[in-house]
Amino acid sequence: GLLVESGGGVVQPGRSLTVSCVASEFTFKIYAMHWVRQAPGKGLEWVAAVSYDGTKDYYTESLKGRFTISRDNSKNTLYLQMNSLTVDDTAMYYCARDAALVPGWNSDFDIWGQGTFVTVSS
Amino acid sequence: EIVLTQSPDFQSVTPKEKVTITCRASQSIGSSLHWYQQKPGQSPRLLIKYASQTISGVPSRFSGSGSGTDFTLTINGLEAEDAAAYYCHQSTSFPTFGGGTKVEIK
Repeated sequence: GLLVESGGGVVQPGRSLTVSCVASEFTFKIYAMHWVRQAPGKGLEWVAAVSYDGTKDYYTESLKGRFTISRDNSKNTLYLQMNSLTVDDTAMYYCARDAALVPGWNSDFDIWGQGTFVTVSS
Repeated sequence: EIVLTQSPDFQSVTPKEKVTITCRASQSIGSSLHWYQQKPGQSPRLLIKYASQTISGVPSRFSGSGSGTDFTLTINGLEAEDAAAYYCHQSTSFPTFGGGTKVEIK
């Protein structure tokens, strides 16, 4: 399986940005998916997850209401919309596949993308 | 939120030496604990799942143990290519990661 993120870049504080993750070489629609971020020089932070069919989503408490995870199974694509960005959101954003069998969502992360870097700066 | 505390934060190790990294959970998580390796400039890679289950393609020198709140990742016979950061991750409740352990080769 392969995951390729895109959409990162430089964005001003307070603005919005959507990053994407395209899946290939596996059946995307039967797996829950996650976003995990890593600030420069820091550890991994789980951001959000979405169920295999997109009907359920889950967020780390501190980002709830500001970030939205979604997916389009017809395009094998995962999204993360980020609103009201602050400098603390500057990080590498990774998408990761959840290894749980459908309809589960919370297991090990067995495939990771290479990441897309988001810089929030004026 | 379940907090995972890794120790040590940093370890400098001679090749062929044994490395032990621990991960302690703030409450019991059964065996829902996974380990990842992240080399500089790369994305994380799954090493061990559910505390002790091996992953295809991962060298046999990597092993995991533990249950409940205390877990260990062991590297038996460190090799130069093992220089990396190692993270634990729990999947009992909303996912959380440990703070990481950086392993340096002496």
